[in-house]
Amino acid sequence: QAVVTQEPSLTVSPGGTVTLTCDSSTGAVTSGHIPCWFQQKPGQAPKTLIYDTSNKHSWTPARFSGSLLGGKAALTLSGAQPEDEAEYYCSLSYSGPWVFGGGTKLTVL
Amino acid sequence: EVQLVESGGGLVQPGGSLRLSCAASGFTFSNSWMNWIRQAPGKGLQWVANIKEDGSEKYHVDSVKGRFTISRDNAKNSLYLQMNSLKAEDTAVYYCARPMSGHWGQGTLVTVSS
Repeated sequence: QAVVTQEPSLTVSPGGTVTLTCDSSTGAVTSGHIPCWFQQKPGQAPKTLIYDTSNKHSWTPARFSGSLLGGKAALTLSGAQPEDEAEYYCSLSYSGPWVFGGGTKLTVL
Repeated sequence: EVQLVESGGGLVQPGGSLRLSCAASGFTFSNSWMNWIRQAPGKGLQWVANIKEDGSEKYHVDSVKGRFTISRDNAKNSLYLQMNSLKAEDTAVYYCARPMSGHWGQGTLVTVSS
């Protein structure tokens, strides 16, 4: 099965902008992979932020956005807040099976 | 309100079996792909299996093929995961989820240990 790769860790300053990426071992990520992004804080279940590349849920803060960038899926956080410090996971669909990335630990400092 | 409530987790010896259940409410279960996703202690998320609305398609991650089976009962609004030949590396919190819709259960802990 495919391997999905994310940056292990990133740091962003409060109010700053950061982009997390999600890469597939099988080639370029496309909308057909139905990329999703999840936020998880310690002791909590994951929360879905972005689905199907760029769609947001009602609870997704406007400062988060999803896109395809340079053959990868991307999650951009513009105007980071202290409460955005968390682990972020992406997922890709491979015509049935899903694969999660290893997660990016985002520090707001 | 959408609810996904897992049950059936617990402590089991290596080689043993468990059946996880997920009771769904608040949405049309029979119209939804459903997933099991797990998270080992201190580790990341791992997709385990999913099943089509009518059960006609099922997919499992390679590491559980031949040991785990996902199933559903649309009349009971319930999702299941039959886990056989359990190994220590199957120890994890198991989530029932519709990830794209943003719906996750609270998880049930499975511990495989002698």
